[in-house]
Order: sequence, then structure tokens, then C-alpha cells
Amino acid sequence: GAGVSQSPSNKVTEKGKDVELRCDPISGHTALYWYRQSLGQGLEFLIYFQGNSAPDKSGLPSDRFSAERTGGSVSTLTIQRTQQEDSAVYLCASSPPNQETQYFGPGTRLLVL
Amino acid sequence: QQQVKQSPQSLIVQKGGISIINCAYENTAFDYFPWYQQFPGKGPALLIAIRPDVSEKKEGRFTISFNKSAKQFSLHIMDSQPGDSATYFCAASITGTYKYIFGTGTRLKVLA
Repeated sequence: GAGVSQSPSNKVTEKGKDVELRCDPISGHTALYWYRQSLGQGLEFLIYFQGNSAPDKSGLPSDRFSAERTGGSVSTLTIQRTQQEDSAVYLCASSPPNQETQYFGPGTRLLVL
Repeated sequence: QQQVKQSPQSLIVQKGGISIINCAYENTAFDYFPWYQQFPGKGPALLIAIRPDVSEKKEGRFTISFNKSAKQFSLHIMDSQPGDSATYFCAASITGTYKYIFGTGTRLKVLA
């Protein structure tokens, strides 16, 4: 079946602009995660959605970052007033109910000039 | 205490050799330890995972060894192949929290 999809695959923006990154999880998966992967670094947890529960936003690095998940499916990560240090690969993952395995999408490569 | 320390940062192995990647953690509440494999331009994919109730888990050429007392776990790739060349991440989580703490990754290159 279809895996996690993310769009766009690449995004180049100018410093100070806002960007929106989209994630379509695997159908039926109730949990959705966003991670940031900087060059040569591990995966940094950003935010976690589970069903209709309040999201765990503890990993968001600043108030410029926000995310929402509409209808328990598609999620959008928004970065306002982008900075050069926001340049990274943003990965989305989803998990089926009551399972811990996370299935990752291919990521969005963001470059802030 | 939430960190997972992974080593080495990079590894070069001859075809047919054994690749060994190590991870260490501090938080004794962690009870799920997956390894992910990531090819360039792709997202990470689950390779193998272990829980602390066993000391070893093997799937094909991939084996996780787990030392609970030392709070360490490692990935062994037997008969390494050029197709295994990728970045490997260890992770740790607490059951029910669904939040992974990832290591910084190991870039493996297997020479033909």
C-alpha cells in the first residue's frame, strides 16, 4: 500500500518568509510525528499527534514553529519568519494504533537562503 | 538523561566483514530499542528492534545485542554487503510514550 508521503520534496525560501510542509500519513494510522534532521545530526523530535488527543509540542524549537492535523489525517508543519538555521530535512512518520513502529516519509528538504 | 549516544560516526567495512555499531543510554525507563536504516534521499526504515527482556535478537544478517546492566546495545551486520551502505540510527523509547530518542547516526560504507 501507499506509504507516508510528504510535499514538497524540496523547498528553497528566503529568510523571513513563511513555509508550509505537508504530510499524508498511511491510511488508518492514528499517530503522526514530525522530526527535523540537520546535516550530520540525528533526528530531533518536534511534535506528536495521537488521535483526537492534544498534541505533544514539547520538541518545537520556537514559537515560529507550529503544526496542525486536520480530520485526524493530513498534517501541516508551518515555520514562520524562516531563519537560515531552519535549513534541514523535515521528516514525518506515522504509526498504526497501539504499535510503536514509526513509518517515515521521504522528507522535505528545506533550504533557507 | 534523555540522550542516546551512538558510535562510531562513520564506519568503513570490507565486503563480507562484520559491521558493529554501538549505542548507550542513561534512562533506565527506556524499554524499546529500534534500529533504523536510511538510504540517501529516503526516510529512515525500521530494521530490527529489541526489548530489554532478551539479550539478543537476530533477523537474517542483522543482530541486536543488548546489555541491560551496562545500558548498552549494538547492531551487528554479518557478511556486510555494498547494498548495506547507508546511515544507521539507534533509538530508545518508553512504551506508551511513543516518543523516540534517536542517536546521531552512523554512516556505513561497505567496500566491494
